[in-house]
Amino acid sequence: DAKTTQPPSMDCAEGRAANLPCNHSTISGNEYVYWYRQIHSQGPQYIIHGLKNNETNEMASLIITEDRKSSTLILPHATLRDTAVYYCIVRVRGNTGANSKLTFGKGITLSVRP
Amino acid sequence: GAVVSQHPSWVICKSGTSVKIECRSLDFQATTMFWYRQFPKQSLMLMATSNEGSKATYEQGVEKDKFLINHASLTLSTLTVTSAHPEDSSFYICSARKDFTNTEAFFGQGTRLTVV
Repeated sequence: DAKTTQPPSMDCAEGRAANLPCNHSTISGNEYVYWYRQIHSQGPQYIIHGLKNNETNEMASLIITEDRKSSTLILPHATLRDTAVYYCIVRVRGNTGANSKLTFGKGITLSVRP
Repeated sequence: GAVVSQHPSWVICKSGTSVKIECRSLDFQATTMFWYRQFPKQSLMLMATSNEGSKATYEQGVEKDKFLINHASLTLSTLTVTSAHPEDSSFYICSARKDFTNTEAFFGQGTRLTVV
């Protein structure tokens, strides 16, 4: 699976949009971009995923550049409860067994301030 | 939704004893489950991949005889930490996938193990 790089941390004000960047310059054509987050002392939570088109759901939006070498997760109106570590992961969709594992990097710590 | 439940949420045990952690998919059948370990201020490290009815696949460096994994049904996988030592104290997290066409993995809430 392709490797991703994320800044170690960032912060934003409550109510403002949080834009979390991720670089995945070695991504392959059949690899998707996944975002998970982990609130302190909890298991990770799935947020969103995409291949090449921008995606939006009730939690966030995912913007993938045309060359697919980077992406941005957008939390449109950040709240204090969005403070967490956010992981950007790229992997092939549809693999089975051991090839379907998710490999977590260090992620980016988002701190939402009042 | 897709809910994965772990039990217990936390456990304290004495050195040398064994501890079993359960991971259940509550509203779906999980052909594949994964076990992770997370030390303080570190990321999740995959320990093993578990397929229902077959032996688990362990990551390099993870002792299969120490971390016993059983995936006897499509809704239950267990991790047993045998002969626990203080260095095994960690946050253990499981995740499950519905099937190979749906790769959004769902995670349990984690189990905090403290070995004293």
